[in-house]
Amino acid sequence: EVQLLESGGGLIQPGGSLRLSCAASGFTFSNYAMSWVRQAPGKGLEWVSSIGLSGSNMFYADSVKGRFTISRDNPKNTLFLQMYSLRAEDTAVYFCAKPITVAGRSGFDYWGQGTLVTVSS
Amino acid sequence: QSALTQPASVSGSPGQSITISCSGTRSDVGSYDLVSWYQQHPGKAPKLMVYDVSRRPSGISDRFSGSKSGNTASLTISGLQADDEADYYCGSYAGSSSFYAFGTGTRVTVL
Repeated sequence: EVQLLESGGGLIQPGGSLRLSCAASGFTFSNYAMSWVRQAPGKGLEWVSSIGLSGSNMFYADSVKGRFTISRDNPKNTLFLQMYSLRAEDTAVYFCAKPITVAGRSGFDYWGQGTLVTVSS
Repeated sequence: QSALTQPASVSGSPGQSITISCSGTRSDVGSYDLVSWYQQHPGKAPKLMVYDVSRRPSGISDRFSGSKSGNTASLTISGLQADDEADYYCGSYAGSSSFYAFGTGTRVTVL
């Protein structure tokens, strides 16, 4: 059974940093590009970042480019999102998502339960 | 990077069919047959209903069908049921620079 378990969320002051983790199991993690998607309270889904199989190709939404860094540890089946210079508008539930195809472009068939990041003073 | 455009709300009676549109551009929906649709119930993670425009993941009812014409994709739900009441989002691959975009979301109400 595929499982994605996010952790690392919490309350952080504006300008602060936070590192999210996503522990994956039930599939061959190293065979799939992986992504982070967020959802602000009462708002829609927003794609945040994606990373290729080996971790050498990373993609970011304009809203987080230069502030967030995605990475992965294939031997440990873990996806990360390092967030710097956090702003109030980064407040959201952050989901880890697995694509239905290995390249990661066809949509996401498994999602974690999400971890809430609240940026507030 | 702009969100794909969806109607804010669509409603229908049980048993009816409804269609949700998803308007993009030549940079995303119009260029790739990589449109997906998600159903999200309150407090839950999104669920993939359709991918690659018209393919259904294992276990998804054939009441859900997808299509695309030009820069606009559509999701049709036939035989509307009470449990179909949820938020629906489209998504599309948007090329190597933008990678992925979601739609603005549509609230489906079963009357």
